[in-house]
Amino acid sequence: DGGITQSPKYLFRKEGQNVTLSCEQNLNHDAMYWYRQDPGQGLRLIYYSQIVNDFQKGDIAEGYSVSREKKESFPLTVTSAQKNPTAFYLCASGTGFQETQYFGPGTRLLVL
Amino acid sequence: AQSVTQLDSQVPVFEEAPVELRCNYSSSVSVYLFWYVQYPNQGLQLLLKYLSGSTLVKGINGFEAEFNKSQTSFHLRKPSVHISDTAEYFCAVEAVTGGGNKLTFGTGTQLKVEL
Repeated sequence: DGGITQSPKYLFRKEGQNVTLSCEQNLNHDAMYWYRQDPGQGLRLIYYSQIVNDFQKGDIAEGYSVSREKKESFPLTVTSAQKNPTAFYLCASGTGFQETQYFGPGTRLLVL
Repeated sequence: AQSVTQLDSQVPVFEEAPVELRCNYSSSVSVYLFWYVQYPNQGLQLLLKYLSGSTLVKGINGFEAEFNKSQTSFHLRKPSVHISDTAEYFCAVEAVTGGGNKLTFGTGTQLKVEL
């Protein structure tokens, strides 16, 4: 089955710790995206990548980092600099223009 | 830059009643418009989209939306809702700049269908 997988489903972070959220797609899409969802705020774009080895900051990139070494994978690291990381994180992929974005099931990050 | 406004954060409705979820946008360039649905603790899935052509767009699960350029609106409608339609609905816009498929989302409308 083609689609997007995100792991883990739940992730716990301790103070001062970096954590990495996984996102993998087998849809052969060039573009991939990371969003953060908070109650009542909709989805906000963290980072996006339109091609391998290239990525751009979205609206709320501070405290986050990404890499795009393979077309299928776009991991997101939540660093200790992100002071309010508790949220639902959604990964998406698409062809990059005028097309639907396909979303993964999400990862819920909680702070201990 | 573009923005999306979903004025209603929650819309309660009885089963088999009609519903309209409102979406207004602002943009200095042409846009493509999307409606996505999110069921609890899941990702989003596309309901329908407007790229060009007929302003009335039909989507999955009996939903439809009408693009109104003069009112900068893209309201979502369903003539008769089912309990399974209970979910959060997001309107989104993509600016037609050729710079890539960056979507701007509204804050969402929670549709609650009651018996």
